[in-house]
Amino acid sequence: AQSVAQPEDQVNVAEGNPLTVKCTYSVSGNPYLFWYVQYPNRGLQFLLKYITGDNLVKGSYGFEAEFNKSQTSFHLKKPSALVSDSALYFCAVRDPYYGQNFVFGPGTRLSVLP
Amino acid sequence: EAQVTQNPRYLITVTGKKLTVTCSQNMNHEYMSWYRQDPGLGLRQIYYSMNVEVTDKGDVPEGYKVSRKEKRNFPLILESPSPNQTSLYFCASCQDKVSTGELFFGEGSRLTVL
Repeated sequence: AQSVAQPEDQVNVAEGNPLTVKCTYSVSGNPYLFWYVQYPNRGLQFLLKYITGDNLVKGSYGFEAEFNKSQTSFHLKKPSALVSDSALYFCAVRDPYYGQNFVFGPGTRLSVLP
Repeated sequence: EAQVTQNPRYLITVTGKKLTVTCSQNMNHEYMSWYRQDPGLGLRQIYYSMNVEVTDKGDVPEGYKVSRKEKRNFPLILESPSPNQTSLYFCASCQDKVSTGELFFGEGSRLTVL
């Protein structure tokens, strides 16, 4: 069965510093991996995805993520954090072998301090 | 504009009073799904649908019903709501079961059952 872990409930970072939000996954085959962001009182917004190819993928708002197959990780990164990046971040996996259901991690709350 | 629309956004009801949360998408997506979001539990899938007249249970289907009579609509029905169904609900859609596309989410429906 597929699963997603986000080991940190909360990440705090100072504005201008680099940020990392961690995600590890477990699937049977080759995963499709996604990051979503949720701002207060809003739905989830797609940030980026890894399907195949280059392990470093770039997405919206300056975010990027690195797929590491050996470590089964897909950490979200940004070189310089903004206060407006403060939100709840979800990692998700979809295993084509099992069909199209998405499995989400529990979420990590990012706080960027001015 | 591509979007998933849910109604109502906010609802307070009482135990046992049937309610329906509507969901509509304008992207001609085959796949639609309902999730509930609870603190510390992330997103949990309630039901999903691969196409018209095709629905299946997710991880937490108890107490819910769905229907998919038209491709664009996927209502969530609570026949006899109970307080443990107080939650934030999201409808989502994506292209189809074999695509690499991401999920598109509605803005959410916050339900309180007294």
